[in-house]
Amino acid sequence: AQSVTQLDSQVPVFEEAPVELRCNYSSSVSVYLFWYVQYPNQGLQLLLKYLSGSTLVKGINGFEAEFNKSQTSFHLRKPSVHISDTAEYFCAVSLSEKLVFGKGTKLTVNP
Amino acid sequence: GAGVSQTPSNKVTEKGKYVELRCDPISGHTALYWYRQSLGQGPEFLIYFQGTGAADDSGLPNDRFFAVRPEGSVSTLKIQRTERGDSAVYLCASSPPGPAGELFFGEGSRLTVL
Repeated sequence: AQSVTQLDSQVPVFEEAPVELRCNYSSSVSVYLFWYVQYPNQGLQLLLKYLSGSTLVKGINGFEAEFNKSQTSFHLRKPSVHISDTAEYFCAVSLSEKLVFGKGTKLTVNP
Repeated sequence: GAGVSQTPSNKVTEKGKYVELRCDPISGHTALYWYRQSLGQGPEFLIYFQGTGAADDSGLPNDRFFAVRPEGSVSTLKIQRTERGDSAVYLCASSPPGPAGELFFGEGSRLTVL
């Protein structure tokens, strides 16, 4: 079985500070990994995905994530956040054509 | 529009009533998914269609929940004898053909059962 653990339910940061949102997964097979973002009152949209190849994946809005197979992690990072990055972020792992999501991390960027 | 469309955006109903939620996927997307998102939780998988058939309905919580996609495009999620615990945002997503496709989500239908 596959599951996703997002270790932090809420992350408050100040504008222009770096941020890391943590995600760990459990899987016995090779995986595809995703980060989705949900802005207030909007649907989920894809930030980035790891399918294969380079373990450092770059996404939209300056976000990146690193796939670490030995630590079964796929942490999301941004070197300098903006107020507009305030949203909920979901890590997901593929399982037989469907995605299994973590519980989400609410990122709040304060001025 | 070019995105996944879900109707209604909000639905308030009474316990015991029947509810239908509609999803219109992106044109050309063969796969369609229904998820449910409760407050403070991530999206929870309900059912997945490939074309007209339900390829995986393992997430449907019980036999009060049913979904159809008769022509391989629009899908309807049907909930019978609604209960207060069914209150959630029901999300629909579609994806194009190919492995590990990106899911494109609609904005959801918020169901409130009183």
